[in-house]
Amino acid sequence: KNQVEQSPQSLIILEGKNCTLQCNYTVSPFSNLRWYKQDTGRGPVSLTIMTFSENTKSNGRYTATLDADTKQSSLHITASQLSDSASYICVVSGGGGSQGNLIFGKGTKLSVKP
Amino acid sequence: GAGVSQSPSNKVTEKGKDVELRCDPISGHTALYWYRQSLGQGLEFLIYFQGNSAPDKSGLPSDRFSAERTGGSVSTLTIQRTQQEDSAVYLCASRKVGGAQNTGELFFGEGSRLTVL
Repeated sequence: KNQVEQSPQSLIILEGKNCTLQCNYTVSPFSNLRWYKQDTGRGPVSLTIMTFSENTKSNGRYTATLDADTKQSSLHITASQLSDSASYICVVSGGGGSQGNLIFGKGTKLSVKP
Repeated sequence: GAGVSQSPSNKVTEKGKDVELRCDPISGHTALYWYRQSLGQGLEFLIYFQGNSAPDKSGLPSDRFSAERTGGSVSTLTIQRTQQEDSAVYLCASRKVGGAQNTGELFFGEGSRLTVL
């Protein structure tokens, strides 16, 4: 069954601290994996995309990793800011046609406190 | 327009009424998706349109829900005889499919918040 599992479900950290969000997937065939950021009351926005051959990719203070062998991805946020408070959604492209070839995780809700 | 446009942004209705939610995707995007997001929850897939292919309706929760896409562009999600459990944010997204430079990024609208009293 095509699934994307994210952990933790929610996370509270202090401003300036680092954190890592996890995404495990069982999606076949696999095309790519994206991390989206959803601010409260807004639609999700793509942060980064990971393809099969990529291990690490950075976008400012965000660094995503992908281990295609273990089917795991992580999103590391460095020196967190209050504006990082949001839900982070892992989306895997693939799955042989189900759900429009996009399998969503349920997201991790991050709260950054001053 | 430059992005995905949804209307209305907010809709309050009485139980039993029908509602229509509209989505205007980015020009040239052949794939269009509808998702439902209940308060504090993840995105729930509803329906997917791709070009002239038959839509994937596997996520529609009941026969009270239907959607169409006219002319390969604008889409309307209709909920008949609304129930209180239909209260949620309905998100529409579109993306390009195919092409050498296409990475398949989904572009979302801001959503339509539905409240059923």
